[in-house]
Amino acid sequence: KAGVTQTPRYLIKTRGQQVTLSCSPISGHRSVSWYQQTPGQGLQFLFEYFSETQRNKGNFPGRFSGRQFSNSRSEMNVSTLELGDSALYLCASSKASGGLITGELFFGEGSRLTVL
Amino acid sequence: AQSVTQPDIHITVSEGASLELRCNYSYGATPYLFWYVQSPGQGLQLLLKYFSGDTLVQGIKGFEAEFKRSQSSFNLRKPSVHWSDAAEYFCAVVGSYNTDKLIFGTGTRLQVFP
Repeated sequence: KAGVTQTPRYLIKTRGQQVTLSCSPISGHRSVSWYQQTPGQGLQFLFEYFSETQRNKGNFPGRFSGRQFSNSRSEMNVSTLELGDSALYLCASSKASGGLITGELFFGEGSRLTVL
Repeated sequence: AQSVTQPDIHITVSEGASLELRCNYSYGATPYLFWYVQSPGQGLQLLLKYFSGDTLVQGIKGFEAEFKRSQSSFNLRKPSVHWSDAAEYFCAVVGSYNTDKLIFGTGTRLQVFP
C-alpha cells in the first residue's frame, strides 16, 4: 500500500515567486492536512481538508492557501514568497472522518522549500 | 490554549541504556496525546497515542509512555535504546476534536553512542 506522496521533494525559489506543493494521500483517505516545519518555529499546523472542504486553518497569513480535489489529492500554494517561508512542508492523511480521535495520521516525507 | 512543552532539546545516551523523554501539556479538557518520531530526511511516524483508559500506553519499537494527569505529563520511555533509535521525537496534543489538527512540542533530538 503506497504511503503519502509529496511532490516535489526539493525546490528552490526566489523571494516574490509563488510555489505549489502537491500531496497524494493514501488510497481511501479523505482527510489531508498540512504542516510547516522550521528550526525556529518547529511543527506548525497550516490547514486541513476533508471531502474538498477546509475543516480547520492555522495561524498563517493569507499568502498560504490550499485546496483538495475530488480524488482527495491536495495542493498548497504560497504566494509572494519570503525568506522565512523556507521550510519543510509536511502533508498528512487520515481515513477517519472524525479526526484524530478515531484515526491515525500518516505523514509524507515532505517538500523542502528553500527561498533565496 | 493548548500547548506542549518538551524541556529537553537534545539528549545523548549510550546504546543499551534506558531512555525517558519528557513531555508536559496544557489542555483544558481530557487531552489526546501522541508521540511521533522523525528520522533524518523522513516524515513523522506515530509511536503511540493516549486517548483514555490505561495510563501506561505501549507503542511500536519497544516504546511506552505514561500519562500522569496530576503532573500534566506524558513521558516516553524505552528500557534499552538501540542505535537505530537516534532521531527526533515529538510530543503532540490534538488541537481540536473532530479534526486532524495536532499541536506539537519543539522536539527532542536523541543521539545514541555505541
